Amino acid sequence: NAGVTQTPKFRILKIGQSMTLQCTQDMNHNYMYWYRQDPGMGLKLIYYSVGAGITDKGEVPNGYNVSRSTTEDFPLRLELAAPSQTSVYFCANRQGDGGELFFGEGSRLTVL
Amino acid sequence: AQTVTQSQPEMSVQEAETVTLSCTYDTSENNYYLFWYKQPPSRQMILVIRQEAYKQQNATENRFSVNFQKAAKSFSLKISDSQLGDTAMYFCASVGLKTSYDKVIFGPGTSLSVIP
Repeated sequence: NAGVTQTPKFRILKIGQSMTLQCTQDMNHNYMYWYRQDPGMGLKLIYYSVGAGITDKGEVPNGYNVSRSTTEDFPLRLELAAPSQTSVYFCANRQGDGGELFFGEGSRLTVL
Repeated sequence: AQTVTQSQPEMSVQEAETVTLSCTYDTSENNYYLFWYKQPPSRQMILVIRQEAYKQQNATENRFSVNFQKAAKSFSLKISDSQLGDTAMYFCASVGLKTSYDKVIFGPGTSLSVIP
């Protein structure tokens, strides 16, 4: 089992470009999350989803969009990339209740 | 609002000694869970220990244990017999299961260095 898979692992964008970070899971967990981690900092919740067709904002949603058309996939869309979006992005899932988060390996995004 | 605070940005401990990392949280939930995660330089996020708010008994996992003080909203992590492999960032996190709709919120982290 692959668990939680993120692509790409590294990406450099120019200011104003758009891109999608892909996240897919084979664990059949309902809950999925996107976090960003700035250097030396903690994880900030961007968006999350409690099931297919349901998404909600986290702590820092501005500049991002998500969709959840299937249980497996939870892509994160960056529109009009800005240098402030330079960060490492983590996708994670959870089974629910007291279930732990399972993380992908992270995607390092640099906006120049 | 759901918040998690870690007041120690950096800590160090001698190998084989014991260290305690602090975490305080704020939630309006009655039903919630608390977690400690470890992030080594590899960037991988690893669950260290989990505590259910309803359980009064403190969780223990081998050399890792917590001191859960529900009234004080405190959730500290004790690492006994520290090992070089414990060097990492440690994050405290909380999830509320009702009004917080399963948002998992992390604290800012504590960087732990184990000194040989």
